[in-house]
Amino acid sequence: DAGVIQSPRHEVTEMGQEVTLRCKPISGHNSLFWYRQTMMRGLELLIYFNNNVPIDDSGMPEDRFSAKMPNASFSTLKIQPSEPRDSAVYFCASTWTGTNTEAFFGQGTRLTVV
Amino acid sequence: AQKVTQAQTEISVVEKEDVTLDCVYETRDTTYYLFWYKQPPSGELVFLIRRNSFDEQNEISGRYSWNFQKSTSSFNFTITASQVVDSAVYFCALGGYNKLIFGAGTRLAVHP
Repeated sequence: DAGVIQSPRHEVTEMGQEVTLRCKPISGHNSLFWYRQTMMRGLELLIYFNNNVPIDDSGMPEDRFSAKMPNASFSTLKIQPSEPRDSAVYFCASTWTGTNTEAFFGQGTRLTVV
Repeated sequence: AQKVTQAQTEISVVEKEDVTLDCVYETRDTTYYLFWYKQPPSGELVFLIRRNSFDEQNEISGRYSWNFQKSTSSFNFTITASQVVDSAVYFCALGGYNKLIFGAGTRLAVHP
């Protein structure tokens, strides 16, 4: 298996623009997490899905952020409009719920909003 | 509420020294899982170990060892005879049925 795949790896955008980050989880995994990593706040859990359903989005910073999981093999995290303080590395991770397996992380997307 | 505390922000050691990274967690769940991840300078998150709440056996894997103590809600990580390649940020994480929460991380610098 190729592991969790995130795209793009790097994104530079101007303030006010819409940004969409993409994630393909490991086949067979039924839980998916989106995290944001910054120097100030560390690794923050933004949202997690179980069987494509959002279970807890309390970590989403504000209404500008939205996430979807239309099927078991694809998820998106959208920021609209983007702001400079959104600059961070965004990680997607997947795992199999119900067993004590670890979460597998993608390589992350480094987002810079200028 | 779930919480993971890694009180040590940064640790600096000289190669071959032993180093222990502390992790304290809070949860009301009776079944939970604890993890350690390593984030090297390249940025990826590498899984190191998993422990479930019913298994308090300590574990050793090469130079790495983990001490899980439920009585003190701690899951500490020791690197024996540290090497420069161990330099990274280490994260402790707490998982329940679905959620996975990370501590702030400890940056370990191992100098030659």
